[in-house]
Amino acid sequence: EAGVTQFPSHSVIEKGQTVTLRCDPISGHDNLYWYRRVMGKEIKFLLHFVKESKQDESGMPNNRFLAERTGGTYSTLKVQPAELEDSGVYFCASSGLGELFFGEGSRLTVL
Amino acid sequence: AQSVAQPEDQVNVAEGNPLTVKCTYSVSGNPYLLWYVQYPNRGLQFLLKYITGDNLVKGSYGFEAEFNKSQTSFHLKKPSALVSDSALYFCAVRDLAAGNKLTFGGGTRVLVKP
Repeated sequence: EAGVTQFPSHSVIEKGQTVTLRCDPISGHDNLYWYRRVMGKEIKFLLHFVKESKQDESGMPNNRFLAERTGGTYSTLKVQPAELEDSGVYFCASSGLGELFFGEGSRLTVL
Repeated sequence: AQSVAQPEDQVNVAEGNPLTVKCTYSVSGNPYLLWYVQYPNRGLQFLLKYITGDNLVKGSYGFEAEFNKSQTSFHLKKPSALVSDSALYFCAVRDLAAGNKLTFGGGTRVLVKP
């Protein structure tokens, strides 16, 4: 069974540009979460989808971040325009009724 | 609000010695506590969890954790560390009332020296 996959694994962009991160959850998992770890700090919750609906987006830092999950399958997280402080590792996780399974993360570097 | 704290940014230990990574928690109600590990260039991997029952929880790769309600702690332990245990360890608490959202500690880097 394939795990949670994320891409790109690493993205380097300049301030002001746009980046879109993608997450493919484990097949059949209705719950999809985005987290990020910035500047070596703690991993922080961004948002939670149940199927295609946003269940909780309380962790989204500002309106430069847009997450979608059309059709309730894969999800994208767009940062537009990117700022220096957005640099970090963005993790996606999915779950059914049990534990969360994490992807390997997408490292974003904003120069 | 639920929270966990990992007081040590880094733990150094010699191979073969016991390893302890500390975690304290603050929750309302019964805690649902977890440990994850991140090896270099890899994602977060689940190690173990405590929901209820025996205070000593056994997990993957020979790790275990001890739940202590009076000290609000959930320290991760391994009796004999391996060089391959060098990684980043995260303690987390799961909020069942909030979509199973996880709140993580700041992480502790473990360095096991041969």
